[in-house]
Amino acid sequence: DTAVSQTPKYLVTQMGNDKSIKCEQNLGHDTMYWYKQDSKKFLKIMFSYNNKELIINETVPNRFSPKSPDKAHLNLHINSLELGDSAVYFCASSQAGQVAEQYFGPGTRLTVT
Amino acid sequence: AQSVAQPEDQVNVAEGNPLTVKCTYSVSGNPYLFWYVQYPNRGLQFLLKYITGDNLVKGSYGFEAEFNKSQTSFHLKKPSALVSDSALYFCAVRNLDSNYQLIWGAGTKLIIKP
Repeated sequence: DTAVSQTPKYLVTQMGNDKSIKCEQNLGHDTMYWYKQDSKKFLKIMFSYNNKELIINETVPNRFSPKSPDKAHLNLHINSLELGDSAVYFCASSQAGQVAEQYFGPGTRLTVT
Repeated sequence: AQSVAQPEDQVNVAEGNPLTVKCTYSVSGNPYLFWYVQYPNRGLQFLLKYITGDNLVKGSYGFEAEFNKSQTSFHLKKPSALVSDSALYFCAVRNLDSNYQLIWGAGTKLIIKP
């Protein structure tokens, strides 16, 4: 069974469109994350979320919004897509706490044309 | 400010030789340190972590890392490299100032040549 899954794997869309990426984890973890990995492979945390608290990286545009229907899911909605949004987006999850390692999904490659 | 540095963009090692991927950190308080590996077109995989205790931490796929407090380093090592170890390696430290999110290094590309 896949621990952290994301759909779709590839997403090609035009500027100005709105899109969503879905993430599900079956590990029973309390905390989920969204990361952006750019073309130089730099990782940037966008959001972390548990059932109590949403933590937003202040540098993330408000066009990006996480939505969690339940503890096992954290979807990413992106409005008014821009060329600079093209990247690979990773979902991850972990148990709560400072020392817990994160488990990553396979990534969604977003291309905005 | 808390930070992580991976001073080498790329490390080249011959198969069978020992490998080291370097990581240094700057944090206030006790550091919680992590290594992850990313194979091409895949998500990151956890390798190992240092929380406390023994300075030599053993992890997946035969990797280990040595925590050195005086040098503020957490270098990743393996005694004998395999071609299949070729991947992108990330060091990370828990950010104690920001709700315990991770601070990530820029990544080091490890190339193992047959």
